[in-house]
Amino acid sequence: DAKTTQPTSMDCAEGRAANLPCNHSTISGNEYVYWYRQIHSQGPQYIIHGLKNNETNEMASLIITEDRKSSTLILPHATLRDTAVYYCIVREDNYGQNFVFGPGTRLSVLP
Amino acid sequence: DGGITQSPKYLFRKEGQNVTLSCEQNLNHDAMYWYRQDPGQGLRLIYYSQIVNDFQKGDIAEGYSVSREKKESFPLTVTSAQKNPTAFYLCASSRSGLSNEQYFGPGTRLTVT
Repeated sequence: DAKTTQPTSMDCAEGRAANLPCNHSTISGNEYVYWYRQIHSQGPQYIIHGLKNNETNEMASLIITEDRKSSTLILPHATLRDTAVYYCIVREDNYGQNFVFGPGTRLSVLP
Repeated sequence: DGGITQSPKYLFRKEGQNVTLSCEQNLNHDAMYWYRQDPGQGLRLIYYSQIVNDFQKGDIAEGYSVSREKKESFPLTVTSAQKNPTAFYLCASSRSGLSNEQYFGPGTRLTVT
């Protein structure tokens, strides 16, 4: 079973920041938070991951709360091409640990 | 270009036939994975392989078989024992070691009638 809960769907206006929340209240100390997204009928695409500190790359920012029980993925200037299903996953970084994908959040970026 | 290829993109079979889905990667990744996705659902792990000539069952392995004879290749066979084979199948790979994300192929949509 997925260890995360996410809203089923969200809307965001084009050009605005999209903030996607994720709850992972049972996360353990050695589990990372990963974010992937999947555009319709394509393979999932890696976005970002982190352990404790906030992370930023060319695609997005990841904000993890101090208690690590929740996180937020931020797409700073959403475009129509960011419309996708976004998956939040927690996973230990041990050899052989697998990704468990829940249903994710369907983000619709509106013109 | 480096990446993962899956072929074909669409596959149609009659019920009772075995079918093999191809997955090839040129990323020099040790680990490879097969997932199944049903409409509106997340991904479910079928099989994974951390190294050549070794593989383990995932959450829904029944009715599927795999082989890992080469590092680059991880074919999945959907057997006639799989009760609901129609689905979108995704292959992924990752480096061994810590903090490694998985890279996914474009997927194969299998329809069995």
